[in-house]
Amino acid sequence: ETGVTQSPTHLIKTRGQQVTLRCSSQSGHNTVSWYQQALGQGPQFIFQYYREEENGRGNFPPRFSGLQFPNYSSELNVNALELDDSALYLCASSLEPGANYGYTFGSGTRLTVV
Amino acid sequence: QKEVEQNSGPLSVPEGAIASLNCTYSDRVSQSFFWYRQYSGKSPELIMSIYSNGDKEDGRFTAQLNKASQYVSLLIRDSQPSDSATYLCAEISGTYKYIFGTGTRLKVLA
Repeated sequence: ETGVTQSPTHLIKTRGQQVTLRCSSQSGHNTVSWYQQALGQGPQFIFQYYREEENGRGNFPPRFSGLQFPNYSSELNVNALELDDSALYLCASSLEPGANYGYTFGSGTRLTVV
Repeated sequence: QKEVEQNSGPLSVPEGAIASLNCTYSDRVSQSFFWYRQYSGKSPELIMSIYSNGDKEDGRFTAQLNKASQYVSLLIRDSQPSDSATYLCAEISGTYKYIFGTGTRLKVLA
């Protein structure tokens, strides 16, 4: 059984550019949640996708958008990058939207905006 | 605004001692709480979950929950240098969203 995988592991972008981050969910999991973790902070909830629909959203602007595909993998897109978007982006998958048993996170994508 | 608060540390303990990590939360209706360990540059990994008042033990780790006082704690017995990491406390908001604290950095001194 494979775990949650994210790509790329690192990338550097210029302010104003657009970026797409990818996440493959754990086998059998139909729910994917995305978090942003700035340096020295706890992860902040961006949004969750369940069966290809957005199931909830945190306090992030519309330039943060996502998709979930029929195989339950997911993408996080960020437009018009700002310096403050520099962070570790974490993806977690789960069997269902409720996370009472805890998430397994992927290894994350470290985004640096210069 | 629902919050989870932790002392950022660092908390330094000698090898073999008990490390005590604490967390308070503001949402009185929260039911589920989690402790994650995060090594520098890595993603968080789940250590324990706790849902009921009292203690829950798993190996060297004990989670404690006191809903009346709205705090959660994690005890690490026989601390090892490999336990040096940031420990994140989290609660579930609604049915799907975690709210994380900022984490407590633990240093176990050999």
